[in-house]
Amino acid sequence: GAVVSQHPSRVICKSGTSVKIECRSLDFQATTMFWYRQFPKQSLMLMATSNEGSKATYEQGVEKDKFLINHASLTLSTLTVTSAHPEDSSFYICSASSGGTDTQYFGPGTRLTVL
Amino acid sequence: QQPVQSPQAVILREGEDAVINCSSSKALYSVHWYRQKHGEAPVFLMILLKGGEQKGHEKISASFNEKKQQSSLYLTASQLSYSGTYFCGPSSGSARQLTFGSGTQLTVLP
Repeated sequence: GAVVSQHPSRVICKSGTSVKIECRSLDFQATTMFWYRQFPKQSLMLMATSNEGSKATYEQGVEKDKFLINHASLTLSTLTVTSAHPEDSSFYICSASSGGTDTQYFGPGTRLTVL
Repeated sequence: QQPVQSPQAVILREGEDAVINCSSSKALYSVHWYRQKHGEAPVFLMILLKGGEQKGHEKISASFNEKKQQSSLYLTASQLSYSGTYFCGPSSGSARQLTFGSGTQLTVLP
């Protein structure tokens, strides 16, 4: 149980384009989903927290107009990187929580490379 | 503020033990431990909810000292599969957000 999927697993795009990443909880309802970014050999940095049906809460320093998050249902959240630039290249990981013990289950991650 | 983990890296021989420490400057509600292998997403190991609680999972166990705002992960008789980067993720409130530590890279050699 507690499986989270992400799509795509890897994406390469040109600078200036937008990329959408999907995060799905496959066998449970995720009341809260989290989006992280991880640079090589560094820890996971929380970008935003989203609750189903409400606006995402962004961490300090994360541009909400650049990283659009939509949590339309209890099993799906999307992160759209708008007007991507090479410095946005990173490993983006989502996690989902169904509440209770706060345990977060992570998706397999999406490696974004912006050329 | 990011929790501090120590050591930053450790190399073991198969069968040896290791301890990874996690220290936070904030009061803690719970502590989560995850292991991440290179290029993969973190995998949940365990959660500790109460001060002083100790939990175990096979040969991996952990303790949580709420007063000291610290948690430790104990790996006993390490196996090759234990290699990876271990992160602690303390939670300091009801927002369910975790602030991940700096990570400890564990390498188990045959």
